[in-house]
Amino acid sequence: QKEVEQDPGPLSVPEGAIVSLNCTYSNSAFQYFMWYRQYSRKGPELLMYTYSSGNKEDGRFTAQVDKSSKYISLFIRDSQPSDSATYLCASNRDDKIIFGKGTRLHILP
Amino acid sequence: DAGVTQSPTHLIKTRGQQVTLRCSPKSGHDTVSWYQQALGQGPQFIFQYYEEEERQRGNFPDRFSGHQFPNYSSELNVNALLLGDSALYLCASRDGSQETQYFGPGTRLLVL
Repeated sequence: QKEVEQDPGPLSVPEGAIVSLNCTYSNSAFQYFMWYRQYSRKGPELLMYTYSSGNKEDGRFTAQVDKSSKYISLFIRDSQPSDSATYLCASNRDDKIIFGKGTRLHILP
Repeated sequence: DAGVTQSPTHLIKTRGQQVTLRCSPKSGHDTVSWYQQALGQGPQFIFQYYEEEERQRGNFPDRFSGHQFPNYSSELNVNALLLGDSALYLCASRDGSQETQYFGPGTRLLVL
């Protein structure tokens, strides 16, 4: 079982819709959770970083962590075509980042 | 303030050859990690350097080696290249007192 599981998609939604991206993890020792955005042929860019269970909001992005069910979510409000990218959920174990496979997101104009 | 930079951007090699990839960390960062990202996969941790020493290593063979210089820049060396080494190689850096790692744009390696 992979430590971080993520549906690879692709996920296609119309512009302006709310996007929900989800991951599950298996290691109870994980303490930090991140969402990275990766455009085609580019390096991952840190979007959100959260330590505790609950919600963290930054502009149109909300990260949600439920440690009791080992579930991580990223919500994108008022989605834009520029949000089209691969979204990687990740956690940090012993200073190594453990990534999911990434979900490819397409926002349709 | 420049972010993490990597060179070269693209590289084509043949099986059996050796390759060296380079990384300059973000200003003020002293810890450098390397990751391999195969097509359609998330990045996989290769190893981490701090104070010019390999501090920890992922599940990669000894063909993968690295170095960190006194200015904190780093190199990744891969010997006896295999077709399966074709991937995007990412460098990430962080300040020793912080947890967040910042990634460079990567070097795309193609092994023919």
